[in-house]
Amino acid sequence: DVKVTQSSRYLVKRTGEKVFLECVQDMDHENMFWYRQDPGLGLRLIYFSYDVKMKEKGDIPEGYSVSREKKERFSLILESASTNQTSMYLCASSDRGPYGYTFGSGTRLTVV
Amino acid sequence: AQSVTQPDIHITVSEGASLELRCNYSYGATPYLFWYVQSPGQGLQLLLKYFSGDTLVQGIKGFEAEFKRSQSSFNLRKPSVHWSDAAEYFCAVGALTGGGNKLTFGTGTQLKVEL
Repeated sequence: DVKVTQSSRYLVKRTGEKVFLECVQDMDHENMFWYRQDPGLGLRLIYFSYDVKMKEKGDIPEGYSVSREKKERFSLILESASTNQTSMYLCASSDRGPYGYTFGSGTRLTVV
Repeated sequence: AQSVTQPDIHITVSEGASLELRCNYSYGATPYLFWYVQSPGQGLQLLLKYFSGDTLVQGIKGFEAEFKRSQSSFNLRKPSVHWSDAAEYFCAVGALTGGGNKLTFGTGTQLKVEL
């Protein structure tokens, strides 16, 4: 069964900390994505990557960065965590072309 | 840029009743469309997708959706709802850009099933 694995289900961090959210897929997909999900706002795209070492900003990139050193791994970095980054973070991957995404189970991040 | 509207934030139906969740999209070209379901605390699971061809598509768990270009809609239906269908449902529209694909999601519809 194909999988997208997010390293943590729940995470609590302090304001100002640097936070790493890890995502690994085992499907050899080229495309990987990071979304955040907030009640009433749906899923909003933070960053995405179509290839190794390639990244593009999504709709809400401010306060975030990403890294894709290997095809299977896509990391989301909060440079200096703030309370307004408390959210559910979802990683997804897909093949090239008009295909749907496979999602991970999500990381619920709380910044205190 | 593409966009998706799910006009119903919450819907409550009785178990065994029929269900229709609404989705309207905006996209300049022929869209490809998806419905996802999310159970509490989980990621999103693909229910069904439309790329081209037959405008009525069948998905998992007994769901179907109909693409209506004239109405820019892709509504999700199920003839008889089960209590286990209680979840949040997201419609998404896709666009091919550069080397990949990018989905834009609606804000979701929370489905409650009364026993």
